[in-house]
Amino acid sequence: GAVVSQHPSWVICKSGTSVKIECRSLDFQATTMFWYRQFPKQSLMLMATSNEGSKATYEQGVEKDKFLINHASLTLSTLTVTSAHPEDSSFYICSARPGGSTNEQYFGPGTRLTVT
Amino acid sequence: QQQVKQSPQSLIVQKGGISIINCAYENTAFDYFPWYQQFPGKGPALLIAIRPDVSEKKEGRFTISFNKSAKQFSLHIMDSQPGDSATYFCAARRRNAGNMLTFGGGTRLMVKP
Repeated sequence: GAVVSQHPSWVICKSGTSVKIECRSLDFQATTMFWYRQFPKQSLMLMATSNEGSKATYEQGVEKDKFLINHASLTLSTLTVTSAHPEDSSFYICSARPGGSTNEQYFGPGTRLTVT
Repeated sequence: QQQVKQSPQSLIVQKGGISIINCAYENTAFDYFPWYQQFPGKGPALLIAIRPDVSEKKEGRFTISFNKSAKQFSLHIMDSQPGDSATYFCAARRRNAGNMLTFGGGTRLMVKP
């Protein structure tokens, strides 16, 4: 149980285009989803927190107009990187937290974005 | 400001040895401390977690030791195996912060056969 998927697993796009990444909780309802960014050989940096039906809360330094997050249902959140640039190339990882008193977040497998 | 400091950055251990990774924090509002294992190109997977009211937790070959007064916690991997070679992250959750995790910098573990 507690499986989180991401799609696509990797994507290459041209500079200036937009890319959408999906995060799905497959066997539970996620009241909260988190989006992280991870550069090579570095730690995970939280980008934003989204609750179903609400606007996402972005961490300091993360441009909300560039990284659009939608959490329209209890099983799906999307991250859209708008007008992507090479410096946006990174590993994007989502996690999902079930409702209730659990402490845990369950992580997706990540999406490798390369902007050329 | 790095709220969770992790050391060492890299670690090489012989098969069968004990791997020890340390983390330290400053924010006393942290109330939950998980450890994650990450293989290249994959998302992190929860290994084991502890609350500050417990000094030690063991699950199989993995043990967390927690020192509340020193604000330190560590992961011990007993009988380390080549398959344990991965990057390990400690994390801390801040109370009343919506389950938001702060991660340590990571430790790249290599277990030599």
